[in-house]
Amino acid sequence: IAGITQAPTSQILAAGRRMTLRCTQDMRHNAMYWYRQDLGLGLRLIHYSNTAGTTGKGEVPDGYSVSRANTDDFPLTLASAVPSQTSVYFCASSTGTSNTGELFFGEGSRLTVL
Amino acid sequence: GQNIDQPTEMTATEGAIVQINCTYQTSGFNGLFWYQQHAGEAPTFLSYNVLDGLEEKGRFSSFLSRSKGYSYLLLKELQMKDSASYLCAATDSNYQLIWGAGTKLIIKP
Repeated sequence: IAGITQAPTSQILAAGRRMTLRCTQDMRHNAMYWYRQDLGLGLRLIHYSNTAGTTGKGEVPDGYSVSRANTDDFPLTLASAVPSQTSVYFCASSTGTSNTGELFFGEGSRLTVL
Repeated sequence: GQNIDQPTEMTATEGAIVQINCTYQTSGFNGLFWYQQHAGEAPTFLSYNVLDGLEEKGRFSSFLSRSKGYSYLLLKELQMKDSASYLCAATDSNYQLIWGAGTKLIIKP
């Protein structure tokens, strides 16, 4: 089934540990995004990539890094996790880069930092 | 600053009609989205409006007024499966997507 796959689905992590959330899409979409979703707040963009080999910072990039070595994969790394990074993380993709087209979301990764 | 406002929670009865409002303040405008998100699941696309007017898609319709910075999502013949959060998002002049916090819709039998 075509779409976006995220892993892990959920994770409990000790503060200070390094963590990589994986995201893979098989739709050959150019643009990919990482969002975090917290109760009472709208989705907030962490990082994005308009095409393989390029990345950009979103609204809340601090403490996170990404890479886009190829079209399909867009991992998100927390170098040293802190409790404020407890959230649900969604990876998304779209065909275009202008945010005027549909976003396709992965099922989310629930991360708890203790 | 840029802002999206929508009610936090709404309750409606199965079989009825409900209108979820969204007002936006953005620097420029390049379209407005509605997404549906069931609890514990990913958001899924419902509609995209860039021109004024009403767009109908089955039981769901979305309306946009650019001059008023206003949109609504209209859900008809409500079903229990429509219980979900509905997210409004607007694209600004820099093609950045600004998200509202979502409206949790509770459907009662």
